[in-house]
Amino acid sequence: AQSVTQLDSQVPVFEEAPVELRCNYSSSVSVYLFWYVQYPNQGLQLLLKYLSGSTLVKGINGFEAEFNKSQTSFHLRKPSVHISDTAEYFCAVTGTSYGKLTFGQGTILTVHP
Amino acid sequence: EPEVTQTPSHQVTQMGQEVILRCVPISNHLYFYWYRQILGQKVEFLVSFYNNEISEKSEIFDDQFSVERPDGSNFTLKIRSTKLEDSAMYFCASSDLGNQPQHFGDGTRLSIL
Repeated sequence: AQSVTQLDSQVPVFEEAPVELRCNYSSSVSVYLFWYVQYPNQGLQLLLKYLSGSTLVKGINGFEAEFNKSQTSFHLRKPSVHISDTAEYFCAVTGTSYGKLTFGQGTILTVHP
Repeated sequence: EPEVTQTPSHQVTQMGQEVILRCVPISNHLYFYWYRQILGQKVEFLVSFYNNEISEKSEIFDDQFSVERPDGSNFTLKIRSTKLEDSAMYFCASSDLGNQPQHFGDGTRLSIL
């Protein structure tokens, strides 16, 4: 079984500042990792994924994340945020032989002008 | 870009009534999922479906729940006798392989009165 912990429930930042949203996971098997974003009144949109290969993965909207196996982390970063990045962000994990996603609690990112 | 579509966007139902939530997955996808998100809580896995049968289900997915793929395009979730605690946002997702990224619909908000 897997579990995901998102260490911050809310992250307020100013526009054009860098941001990091933290995600730690636990699993007894190898994992695939994902970040999803949910804008108000919308569904879950895939931001980026780690399946294998390079541990630094780039996604849409200028976001990137780094898979750190030794620290069991998959933190999401953006060097300069925009007002439009205000949303809730979910980290999720699935095992290589499973299809279901296990989600973290979500982090609400609020970008202030 | 192909999308997962869900209908209705909002469903209000009296407790004890049956409800059917509908989803049209992406056309070439083979794996289908239902998740739910109770207000203020994590996104939780309910069930996965492949090759016309349930491949995995969670403890939440008890005898009150059922899924069906009645034709080549729709994927439905039925709750036979709704309870107040079934009030949640229900998300449908699909993927073309079990571990590839899942694509989510915008969800159906189910309100039980």
